[in-house]
Amino acid sequence: KQEVTQIPAALSVPEGENLVLNCSFTDSAIYNLQWFRQDPGKGLTSLLLIQSSQREQTSGRLNASLDKSSGRSTLYIAASQPGDSATYLCAVARTYKYIFGTGTRLKVLA
Amino acid sequence: DVKVTQSSRYLVKRTGEKVFLECVQDMDHENMFWYRQDPGLGLRLIYFSYDVKMKEKGDIPEGYSVSREKKERFSLILESASTNQTSMYLCASSFQGAVETQYFGPGTRLLVL
Repeated sequence: KQEVTQIPAALSVPEGENLVLNCSFTDSAIYNLQWFRQDPGKGLTSLLLIQSSQREQTSGRLNASLDKSSGRSTLYIAASQPGDSATYLCAVARTYKYIFGTGTRLKVLA
Repeated sequence: DVKVTQSSRYLVKRTGEKVFLECVQDMDHENMFWYRQDPGLGLRLIYFSYDVKMKEKGDIPEGYSVSREKKERFSLILESASTNQTSMYLCASSFQGAVETQYFGPGTRLLVL
């Protein structure tokens, strides 16, 4: 059974710092991995989707990497801003079904 | 831009009531999903639909049913609401295919008293 773990559960950093969020999964037979952002009381917004054949994806200050063999993904946020404060979730998919981690709650201090 | 809307942002119901949560998407997506999100448990899939009138159970279907009469609309039904169904309910949609992004609605926070 696929399990997705995100460490740390919470993180506070000063503005401007570069940071890395971690996601690990137990079954490497995945089709893709997706990173989402969730603001308090809101739905999820897709940030990056990495297909199983890809190693990384970039969007602006965000870079996500995927190492299927080791069951790991990282989300790198460059030059963090207070507006980046949110919960970040990763999810892995095999067929239609996504399995979600419980998220990392990020707070960027001004 | 893809838009997924949910009928209510907040809902308060009493134990035993029948509850309907509605989700509508405007991108002609084949797939639609209902999740619930609880602290410490993350998102868990309740039901999935891959076409009109087609549905599959997710990980936690007990106490729920769904209806998909039109492609753009997916309803979640709590047949007899219970306090343990107090949660945040999230709807999502996507195109068919193994590598498609899921787009989420804003969520409905349901409180069952």
